[in-house]
Amino acid sequence: QSVLTQPPSVSAAPGQKVTISCSGSSSNIGNNYVSWYQQLPGTAPKLLIYDNNKRPSGIPDRFSGSKSGTSATLGITGLQTGDEADYYCGTWDSSLSAVFGTGTKVTVL
Amino acid sequence: QLQLQESGPGLVKPSETLSLTCTVSGGSISSSSYYWGWIRQPPGKGLEWIGSIYYSGSTYYNPSLKSRVTISVDTSKNQFSLKLSSVTAADTAVYYCARDWITGTTRASTAFDIWGQGTMVTVSS
Repeated sequence: QSVLTQPPSVSAAPGQKVTISCSGSSSNIGNNYVSWYQQLPGTAPKLLIYDNNKRPSGIPDRFSGSKSGTSATLGITGLQTGDEADYYCGTWDSSLSAVFGTGTKVTVL
Repeated sequence: QLQLQESGPGLVKPSETLSLTCTVSGGSISSSSYYWGWIRQPPGKGLEWIGSIYYSGSTYYNPSLKSRVTISVDTSKNQFSLKLSSVTAADTAVYYCARDWITGTTRASTAFDIWGQGTMVTVSS
């Protein structure tokens, strides 16, 4: 039972943009930094965004993150077939635990 | 390049204890700014954090699992381990170990930046 809510799925055509929302509360997103992960089929998650909007080395700038209040958003521009994956948000919670979002499946039409 | 590798039994009987080890290579587990965590993913479901440990032995656990979880560290072997007791079928999942990076000065800024490949553990008699 995740405390962070994401839409189950989003889709768009190649080259288009998608956004994925992550809704939490003041106990988690509202007072902590958000990270985002990409999980390609059959593989381990990969860190895409940390500290709300920073990209680790090697992550293309097609991926962006933002946070406002108790919600965060991941944006993917120039959508590619290789972006088809599950995406998860994550943050720290006042219960002294890490929490993840429910996950969003991105489909490239 | 830092790598993590999970190891342990792929099949555990109900009511027994699940035990996994994560071996860290290409770097030291005793680095500051990093905890070391366990995350699991039941088949077809999302990610669930189990807990994290610092090289000093300081731990954080998921409140919903805390009564059954023990995470320990062996700095001499560059390993950390997970024990989950009294398992049931609901504990069947892929178990990942990951580096829990404190990106700032507090736990408010944390991200799992390096992951192991994961190991499937099935609970069944």
